[in-house]
Amino acid sequence: GESVGLHLPTLSVQEGDNSIINCAYSNSASDYFIWYKQESGKGPQFIIDIRSNMDKRQGQRVTVLLNKTVKHLSLQIAATQPGDSAVYFCAENKETSGSRLTFGEGTQLTVNP
Amino acid sequence: GAGVSQSPSNKVTEKGKDVELRCDPISGHTALYWYRQSLGQGLEFLIYFQGNSAPDKSGLPSDRFSAERTGGSVSTLTIQRTQQEDSAVYLCASSLGGIDTQYFGPGTRLTVL
Repeated sequence: GESVGLHLPTLSVQEGDNSIINCAYSNSASDYFIWYKQESGKGPQFIIDIRSNMDKRQGQRVTVLLNKTVKHLSLQIAATQPGDSAVYFCAENKETSGSRLTFGEGTQLTVNP
Repeated sequence: GAGVSQSPSNKVTEKGKDVELRCDPISGHTALYWYRQSLGQGLEFLIYFQGNSAPDKSGLPSDRFSAERTGGSVSTLTIQRTQQEDSAVYLCASSLGGIDTQYFGPGTRLTVL
């Protein structure tokens, strides 16, 4: 079936560096993509989202890029901090699917001091 | 304001017993979702409630799973005759509906011995 998945299960960066977390999706009919951050023992926390009619969206220290041609989504974190260490999930939402989220498997980001 | 709350935070049960998991959504949110997260995995959709509409139960893995939402607010997920493969973190989310951002609770960690 259609799914959202991530290229790498783990990513290790140095504090202060920029991080890029990638996601490939297969459902070209998706309306909306979301990045969530999940710290150990907690529920997913919304980071940023982007609608399918956009290519780029910026937040505070984070940028999401959407390339619909190759069905690729990325999350860029600027000046990565130790507090950014967590598992990052991309998720897909399609209104006709009842607004359920389809999640990828997650990337574990580790920030080294 | 208060976020999504779930109880209990941890539940250990014996195989064959029934369990009930509770979710209190954000006040005013008309949509409520249940997801399941197995160890080290992404989230799997279970069921979705939107207002007074019939729930979307298409993600429930078996007829041992059921959920209800009383008064358009609190929801209870019930698992009957629990099996070891039911062990997971059960996450609840709520939103204003449609493709509006889903906000997650901290989850209930279920362990079936």
